[in-house]
Amino acid sequence: KNQVEQSPQSLIILEGKNCTLQCNYTVSPFSNLRWYKQDTGRGPVSLTIMTFSENTKSNGRYTATLDADTKQSSLHITASQLSDSASYICVVSAGNAGNMLTFGGGTRLMVKP
Amino acid sequence: EADIYQTPRYLVIGTGKKITLECSQTMGHDKMYWYQQDPGMELHLIHYSYGVNSTEKGDLSSESTVSRIRTEHFPLTLESARPSHTSQYLCASSNRGGEETQYFGPGTRLLVL
Repeated sequence: KNQVEQSPQSLIILEGKNCTLQCNYTVSPFSNLRWYKQDTGRGPVSLTIMTFSENTKSNGRYTATLDADTKQSSLHITASQLSDSASYICVVSAGNAGNMLTFGGGTRLMVKP
Repeated sequence: EADIYQTPRYLVIGTGKKITLECSQTMGHDKMYWYQQDPGMELHLIHYSYGVNSTEKGDLSSESTVSRIRTEHFPLTLESARPSHTSQYLCASSNRGGEETQYFGPGTRLLVL
């Protein structure tokens, strides 16, 4: 069964600090991995997308890494801001007909002043 | 910001009522999706469509139905709402080929009393 597990479930950090969120997956065959940011009461917004051959990808203060061998990904947030408070969702796409997505449970990040 | 819209944003309704959640996108995307998300939990796919007159059930069983008469419109209907239907419903769309990033609407929060 395809699964995506994220850790930690929740995280509180002070404004300006860095943090790293983890994602482990068992989706096969693998097509790509996305990180989404979901503000409370809103729909998810795509931050990064990585395919099998990509190890790292940045989007501003967000840097995602992918280790396809160990089936792990991380999202690193640099110099956190209050607006970074949200849920961060790891989503893996299977490389089969339909490219269906498997969603992780998300990490709820709270950035405090 | 994605051009995908959902109405209503919030709905409180009594048991047994028929409701339709609207979703429309102006990006010309072929594929559209409905997800159900309980607070703090992961998204679950309940319906999807690859184009006009195409509808499929997703991973999570749902008593709702969908229709796709026009490319831009993908409404979801509950014939008889029950308290167990209380949840957030998120609509998304994507284009064929390429990265197929899904763009999400803001969601509809449904409360059935």
